[in-house]
Amino acid sequence: AQSVTQLDSQVPVFEEAPVELRCNYSSSVSVYLFWYVQYPNQGLQLLLKYLSGSTLVKGINGFEAEFNKSQTSFHLRKPSVHISDTAEYFCAVSARASWGKFQFGAGTQVVVTP
Amino acid sequence: GAVVSQHPSWVICKSGTSVKIECRSLDFQATTMFWYRQFPKQSLMLMATSNEGSKATYEQGVEKDKFLINHASLTLSTLTVTSAHPEDSSFYICSAREPGDYEQYFGPGTRLTVT
Repeated sequence: AQSVTQLDSQVPVFEEAPVELRCNYSSSVSVYLFWYVQYPNQGLQLLLKYLSGSTLVKGINGFEAEFNKSQTSFHLRKPSVHISDTAEYFCAVSARASWGKFQFGAGTQVVVTP
Repeated sequence: GAVVSQHPSWVICKSGTSVKIECRSLDFQATTMFWYRQFPKQSLMLMATSNEGSKATYEQGVEKDKFLINHASLTLSTLTVTSAHPEDSSFYICSAREPGDYEQYFGPGTRLTVT
């Protein structure tokens, strides 16, 4: 079985400042990793995913994440946030043999203030 | 891109009645669909995995007789909450996956309120 830990439940950040959201996972098998964003009362939108290859993954809206196998981490970063980045962010892991079944982290609420 | 819709977006029903939520993949065929439940300020909890033409696989602790899932076609899955009670009030989200793809495409969610 897999588990996902998002280390920060809430991250306050000023506009145009950088932000990092931490995600650690545990799994006995190889996994795929995802970051999703959720705006209030909406579904989830994919920011980026790691399936294989380069460990630095670039996504939409200026986000990027780095897969670190030795530390079992997949931290999400953005160098300069906007007010519109205020949302809930979820890290998810899927075992390669699980037919796409996801395990989600608890989520990190990002609040961007001017 | 792959689009998933849900209908209705919100519904209010009386305790004891049943309500059906539809999940559709609009521009792709989804052999697998997933149903999640999300409580306020919490993560998504997987309820069941639905494969087209076969019975859904429910997660531990989810009552299959209460949450009926049907995946009758490659573009439609339905979740019926039977004999709803106030504790069933929640945000229900579906997702769909194309064959051979590990990404899930999420619907916009359905807010269910049982009075």
